[in-house]
Amino acid sequence: KQEVTQIPAALSVPEGENLVLNCSFTDSAIYNLQWFRQDPGKGLTSLLLIQSSQREQTSGRLNASLDKSSGRSTLYIAASQPGDSATYLCASPLSGNTPLVFGKGTRLSVIA
Amino acid sequence: GAVVSQHPSRVICKSGTSVKIECRSLDFQATTMFWYRQFPKQSLMLMATSNEGSKATYEQGVEKDKFLINHASLTLSTLTVTSAHPEDSSFYICSFGGQGATGYTFGSGTRLTVV
Repeated sequence: KQEVTQIPAALSVPEGENLVLNCSFTDSAIYNLQWFRQDPGKGLTSLLLIQSSQREQTSGRLNASLDKSSGRSTLYIAASQPGDSATYLCASPLSGNTPLVFGKGTRLSVIA
Repeated sequence: GAVVSQHPSRVICKSGTSVKIECRSLDFQATTMFWYRQFPKQSLMLMATSNEGSKATYEQGVEKDKFLINHASLTLSTLTVTSAHPEDSSFYICSFGGQGATGYTFGSGTRLTVV
């Protein structure tokens, strides 16, 4: 059974700082890993998807890495902005059409 | 691509009434979809998995007679909360199954308040 853990639970940083969010999973035979952003009272916005065969994905100021052997993924946010304030969730399915297993998220606050 | 429309975004209903939430994929088809529930400051909890044309599979502790799921086509699924009670007040989100290069796509969520 896959379990996903995210640390820290909450993070507050000043604007402009680079930061790293951590995600760990127990079953290294993951299908893929997806990072989402959730704003208060809103649905989930997909940020990055890393397939099992990939080691990282980049989109703008975001970079996500995947290390299956250590059971870890990181989301790197460069030059943080107040608009980045949200809860960030990582999740992974057991296979292509099974439910995502979510971490509890990291609540990020970027202070102007 | 991979857009999911969910509505209503917010609904308030009286205790004992039923509420239907609709989730529609706009630019793709998927045989599998998932319904989640999220309580304040908690992560998403899977309620059920449904495959088009067959009965949904419910997670332990989720009443199938209370949360009716209809997945009649590859682009549309509905969740009906029957005889709603205040404890059913929550944020409900749908998701269509993994879409290859785009992964899982979620609806924008429905905030249900039962008074």
